[in-house]
Amino acid sequence: QVQLQQWGAGLLKPSETLSLTCAVYGGSFSGYYWSWVRQPPGQGLEWIGEINHSGSTNYNPSLKSRITMSIDTSKSQFSLKMTSVTAADTAVYYCARGSAAGLRYWGQGTLVTVSS
Amino acid sequence: EIVLTQSPATLSLSPGERATLSCRANQSVDIYLAWYQHKPGQVPRLLISDASNRATGIPARFSGSGSGTDFTLTISSLEPEDFAVYYCQQRSNWRSGFTFGPGTRVDIK
Repeated sequence: QVQLQQWGAGLLKPSETLSLTCAVYGGSFSGYYWSWVRQPPGQGLEWIGEINHSGSTNYNPSLKSRITMSIDTSKSQFSLKMTSVTAADTAVYYCARGSAAGLRYWGQGTLVTVSS
Repeated sequence: EIVLTQSPATLSLSPGERATLSCRANQSVDIYLAWYQHKPGQVPRLLISDASNRATGIPARFSGSGSGTDFTLTISSLEPEDFAVYYCQQRSNWRSGFTFGPGTRVDIK
């Protein structure tokens, strides 16, 4: 059974850097793209980006200038960093396992609030 | 850039009724479209991949159809647990990543 467990700081001040990590338990770590998705309060889902086991990345063009994803295959973990956060980045952030079929397995979600 | 549009924005129905949700792309995504169910406080759940393939464990009352630019998610007979927000999502090009539609909320009438 594949499980994703995520963690990171839940309260940030404007201009700080968001940092989240997701650990993968069970299943293969290679052969998939590991994604981040967010949902601002009262809004829909937004795909942030993804990374594969070799470190190849795809980013949402609207966020590309502020995000960096990394991967540690030895720990089956991947991470998201987003710089210069503002209130507009307040959202529940999810990690997920992606394939051509979609996003089948998801982390539990982390509420990140940006407030001064 | 591929943009997905979903209609209606809200669908108010009673348990036992049939729900028909639409997703339209501004250019062809072939069959590379998925549907998700999302309930408040829960994680999104993959229902359908490749336009019409039910994901593991998804009840048969959920079905998907379509190709190219027009897609439909049908719930044949709504159960109380089906009231949620439904998103379509495309990935027709690996380099462009995923795109979600704005969602359709299915409410209890």
